[in-house]
Amino acid sequence: EPEVTQTPSHQVTQMGQEVILRCVPISNHLYFYWYRQILGQKVEFLVSFYNNEISEKSEIFDDQFSVERPDGSNFTLKIRSTKLEDSAMYFCASSGTEAFFGQGTRLTVV
Amino acid sequence: GEDVEQSLFLSVREGDSSVINCTYTDSSSTYLYWYKQEPGAGLQLLTYIFSNMDMKQDQRLTVLLNKKDKHLSLRIADTQTGDSAIYFCAERSGYALNFGKGTSLLVTP
Repeated sequence: EPEVTQTPSHQVTQMGQEVILRCVPISNHLYFYWYRQILGQKVEFLVSFYNNEISEKSEIFDDQFSVERPDGSNFTLKIRSTKLEDSAMYFCASSGTEAFFGQGTRLTVV
Repeated sequence: GEDVEQSLFLSVREGDSSVINCTYTDSSSTYLYWYKQEPGAGLQLLTYIFSNMDMKQDQRLTVLLNKKDKHLSLRIADTQTGDSAIYFCAERSGYALNFGKGTSLLVTP
């Protein structure tokens, strides 16, 4: 089965620091996403990316967040100045018709 | 925003069938998905259905879609203890998937 790969699996960072979460989507997919799941809560949409630009974003995805596809394979989520409430599991996904998710990066802001 | 609703818990005996239900409000949904999440793990795509279909079967999994009522169900035949997990329903109308809160399935011996 095709696989979306995320690194790191865990990240602990101090409040106010910048973090970059990395993803390698499935190679022939054209749509890429970031979602987050705060512990015990539902999976929330952050942003979608198509044709090298943001196609849709949620209210959560404010100016502290940015996404980039720096090369042909990686897809990154940057949080500029982390807050305690950014602690969550962050999932990358890519899709054609089927939407596949990575195993997630658990971000802990202390 | 559009809502996706699921019951929170379901408990079944091993060997029985499980039926997990989901309702959604977005009438322009094109695809509907079921994901499985085991503790501490990612989201595993189980199956999906296009909105112009009313049923899809894949081994032990049967998805039923009633588009008129905006009701989706996932039936797991011969449920096993390894099926214990949280099951998320998700609908897609544009780019994004909109998830329900998940149904926690407990399979007892």
